[in-house]
Amino acid sequence: EDKVVQSPLSLVVHEGDTVTLNCSYEVTNFRSLLWYKQEKKAPTFLFMLTSSGIEKKSGRLSSILDKKELFSILNITATQTGDSAVYLCVQAGGTSYGKLTFGQGTILTVHP
Amino acid sequence: NAGVTQTPKFQVLKTGQSMTLQCAQDMNHEYMSWYRQDPGMGLRLIHYSVGAGITDQGEVPNGYNVSRSTTEDFPLRLLSAAPSQTSVYFCASSYMRQGGSPLHFGNGTRLTVT
Repeated sequence: EDKVVQSPLSLVVHEGDTVTLNCSYEVTNFRSLLWYKQEKKAPTFLFMLTSSGIEKKSGRLSSILDKKELFSILNITATQTGDSAVYLCVQAGGTSYGKLTFGQGTILTVHP
Repeated sequence: NAGVTQTPKFQVLKTGQSMTLQCAQDMNHEYMSWYRQDPGMGLRLIHYSVGAGITDQGEVPNGYNVSRSTTEDFPLRLLSAAPSQTSVYFCASSYMRQGGSPLHFGNGTRLTVT
């Protein structure tokens, strides 16, 4: 059964800190791994990763995938209070298209 | 540009009642799906569709029905509501690409079953 495990489950930091969120997965027929940010409403897309070793970057956020070790990390540098959210790791794979597997999420709280 | 529209935003049902959560997208996405989100459980897939006339079960399909008569609409029906179905429901859609494609989410429906 496909599985996605995120760690830590929650994290409290102060503005300016750098954080690393982890996502490990077990999957048959890997297609891609996606990261989302969820504040009060719907998750919003951050990154989609399909190849190992290629860092995706957007401002202070970056992410990388290791398909050999079956994990991904999401880095946030110089955190701001607006980064406070739940970060979701999602694995797209399996034997049929469409069965995405979500991790439990990491709750990030950034204090001023 | 509406994206994915879910209605209603909030709903309270009594045990045994039925209702339909509506989902519509205007991006011509082939793939549409329904998730429920419960504390500590992440999002769990209920049903999904890869095109009009095609639906399939996800991880937690019991107690829910779906249909996909058009590309745009993907309603979720609760047949006989139970307190265990109290949750936040998200509809999401995407293009279908071999390597996957980012999901676009609706704003969610908060359902309480008493």
